[in-house]
Amino acid sequence: DQQVKQNSPSLSVQEGRISILNCDYTNSMFDYFLWYKKYPAEGPTFLISISSIKDKNEDGRFTVFLNKSAKHLSLHIVPSQPGDSAVYFCAASETGTASKLTFGTGTRLQVTL
Amino acid sequence: GAVVSQHPSRVICKSGTSVKIECRSLDFQATTMFWYRQFPKQSLMLMATSNEGSKATYEQGVEKDKFLINHASLTLSTLTVTSAHPEDSSFYICSAGRTGGVKNIQYFGAGTRLSVL
Repeated sequence: DQQVKQNSPSLSVQEGRISILNCDYTNSMFDYFLWYKKYPAEGPTFLISISSIKDKNEDGRFTVFLNKSAKHLSLHIVPSQPGDSAVYFCAASETGTASKLTFGTGTRLQVTL
Repeated sequence: GAVVSQHPSRVICKSGTSVKIECRSLDFQATTMFWYRQFPKQSLMLMATSNEGSKATYEQGVEKDKFLINHASLTLSTLTVTSAHPEDSSFYICSAGRTGGVKNIQYFGAGTRLSVL
């Protein structure tokens, strides 16, 4: 039972344009969401997070939007840069579970010149 | 800051042998560490939560006698795959939560690719 889903395994975007990565979840108890970025042969790196009490969180070129009623979140990267090319994982957790994270399957972003 | 080192990065072993993987938080204390397993094109699946000074908490379906976890200090957790078999071949990755840090943010090691012949 995949509680966190990233339905797009890959995405290609031109440099300078906006990248939008999507994530859906099924567990209504999730109240904290994170995005991680992973380069080959490296561990995932924390990118940005959002609490369920918010619907938007912004950090530089990265913005995460949360739609609780739709159980959907998205990561916007603008403008996209070639160095953003990586696999992006969405993760979710619920209060009281000792910070356990449930991950999606990842979306491979390729930013082209 | 918040660097997690995992060693070895790759190991190839014969069936029946045991393999130990180390996970160290280099510049912070980690009361809690996590061990994940990732199959090709799948998500990271949590295997167990490792707590310093106490027994690990295993996820459903994970054999605790097969995957031994020790968290002896605030900077080191080890995962030992005992009597490894080819089906144990996978990518194992650890993470650590920073004690007193922002809730739910985990810092990851680079992972260990285990191949059992």
